[in-house]
Amino acid sequence: DADVTQTPRNRITKTGKRIMLECSQTKGHDRMYWYRQDPGLGLRLIYYSFDVKDINKGEISDGYSVSRQAQAKFSLSLESAIPNQTALYFCATSVTGNTEAFFGQGTRLTVV
Amino acid sequence: GQNIDQPTEMTATEGAIVQINCTYQTSGFNGLFWYQQHAGEAPTFLSYNVLDGLEEKGRFSSFLSRSKGYSYLLLKELQMKDSASYLCAVRDYRNAGNMLTFGGGTRLMVKP
Repeated sequence: DADVTQTPRNRITKTGKRIMLECSQTKGHDRMYWYRQDPGLGLRLIYYSFDVKDINKGEISDGYSVSRQAQAKFSLSLESAIPNQTALYFCATSVTGNTEAFFGQGTRLTVV
Repeated sequence: GQNIDQPTEMTATEGAIVQINCTYQTSGFNGLFWYQQHAGEAPTFLSYNVLDGLEEKGRFSSFLSRSKGYSYLLLKELQMKDSASYLCAVRDYRNAGNMLTFGGGTRLMVKP
């Protein structure tokens, strides 16, 4: 079983729809992150959280929101999806800021 | 801000050695990571350098020169399964929480 699990793995949605991507982890890590990946642009940070009461914007937070429901759960929402949010989304966790991040398997989102 | 540059694509032959370079500009360098990512899959951690020099892990080695803002990942005895993207990521202590910034990745194709 994966330590960092994302659901759904694939999703096609229409412009203007609200969609939530979920992430859960069994690693016991406090830090959780949401990234999006576009071809040639690498991974870009959307939001991150250091614990349940802590939420921070990343490089590209516009159009997204997050919720840290528990230490193990961190969800990403697109309130009104638009086509340029079509991308591969990754959730990740880490113990501290100086250790490696562990990634989920990714969610491929297509907005039509 | 940070600029991280790595070649977009490289091709090498099975059994050979390949070196993937990464250059960066950051005012608060606090470590460099290399990740491997197979197409459509999650990035997985390969190596971490924070001090100058070479870190060796089996067939993979990573080198860092902080004064030159330069790192490379060296892959020896290439195997077909090494065909993947290789992501260079830099940690900057001036970013809140020591956040990682990723380069665009280098897609390596290993040919028979």
